[in-house]
Amino acid sequence: IAGITQAPTSQILAAGRRMTLRCTQDMRHNAMYWYRQDLGLGLRLIHYSNTAGTTGKGEVPDGYSVSRANTDDFPLTLASAVPSQTSVYFCASSDSDNTEAFFGQGTRLTVV
Amino acid sequence: GQSLEQPSEVTAVEGAIVQINCTYQTSGFYGLSWYQQHDGGAPTFLSYNALDGLEETGRFSSFLSRSDSYGYLLLQELQMKDSASYFCAVILTGGGNKLTFGTGTQLKVEL
Repeated sequence: IAGITQAPTSQILAAGRRMTLRCTQDMRHNAMYWYRQDLGLGLRLIHYSNTAGTTGKGEVPDGYSVSRANTDDFPLTLASAVPSQTSVYFCASSDSDNTEAFFGQGTRLTVV
Repeated sequence: GQSLEQPSEVTAVEGAIVQINCTYQTSGFYGLSWYQQHDGGAPTFLSYNALDGLEETGRFSSFLSRSDSYGYLLLQELQMKDSASYFCAVILTGGGNKLTFGTGTQLKVEL
């Protein structure tokens, strides 16, 4: 693993199903973030974590949950997917000074 | 609330200079960053201004004025490969380090 990795790269999901998007980084960064990107709406923060064991809500947290059991992993869970959660999801991490964030390659999720 | 506004689209010709503005309304932040994103790709970091003034990195420069609630990214000697979306971003102070992005500007470089 080099940098930050997301899985899966793409997924088609039936509405009502539960789904966990995975994110792993090997840079020992304290801060991690989840964003969704929709056409014309830029990158909107869903949840974030400043350090292992802590999480916080971003701009659009409803319908999503996260956990941060250790430094490297920051999974995002959709408990019961809805079509409005169709989007591209990006995970990112940054060091404590937060001057530069590194992004994963994204997960393209389609909820049907 | 917090907001970072950018023009939605800018068009320029190859070899020219272009400025992408970012105006913000936020109660406090640590610094202003800029990211580039090509279609279908991940955002990548370009520059960071912790203090007011100009930061230069090769063909790219970034400027911040906290008193004017304003910043910009300056791209010189434009190349076709610079066609991408550009986002300004801040880490908000006051409760959690939330990396918050602007609305994004799509830059089209033409021959």
